[in-house]
Amino acid sequence: SYELTQPPSVSVSPGQTARIACSGDALPKQFAYWYQQKPGQAPILVMNKDTERPSGIPERISGSSSGTTVTLTISGVQAEDEADYYCQSADITGVYVVFGGGTKLTVL
Amino acid sequence: QVRLQESGPGLVKPSETLSLTCSVSGGSISSDYWSWIRQPPGKGLEWIGYIHDSGSTNYNPSLMGRVTIAVDTSKKQFSVRLSSVTAADTAVYYCARGGNFVLDYWGQGTLVTVSS
Repeated sequence: SYELTQPPSVSVSPGQTARIACSGDALPKQFAYWYQQKPGQAPILVMNKDTERPSGIPERISGSSSGTTVTLTISGVQAEDEADYYCQSADITGVYVVFGGGTKLTVL
Repeated sequence: QVRLQESGPGLVKPSETLSLTCSVSGGSISSDYWSWIRQPPGKGLEWIGYIHDSGSTNYNPSLMGRVTIAVDTSKKQFSVRLSSVTAADTAVYYCARGGNFVLDYWGQGTLVTVSS
């Protein structure tokens, strides 16, 4: 079955830049989406179609894509950014949805 | 602003059928895709499946044969049924708008525990 691979954890100090990668063989063909989830809350969309920032999401959150890897970048990390981040995409057929395993962002 | 709300039993016995409903407000349920996702305690998100308002569905192959998603456009609701549940099906179940692409609106989630 198709998988998306994320690092389990990323740690940065406040004000630094956090980069969370997500890799998958179908990513050159399928868009990726990113969700932020804080404890006890539902996920919220923070990046659409690899690089499109939804309304209300801070400009310091950006997305990029290169080959089989998409990356969520958070510049000037703040304490409020501490959360779990999940990438989501579809398999090569475009039918089946898959989530990455999630990355816990810790702000030191 | 589209809002989604899950409802259903919080406790299901092993081997029985889990059944949840998602009510949609603030927008139309027509001409759109609607999904179910779950998250076991302390673990990541798992896609369950999605339905179009026309009734066409796609399911996670790992759940195929046990899961059914249905839509009732007159009530602005869609539902999920998962049969022959075990403790491994204990999770927070989320409904969301979207299918094999962006999931832009999510419900708050409901915890379903499988236990005798």
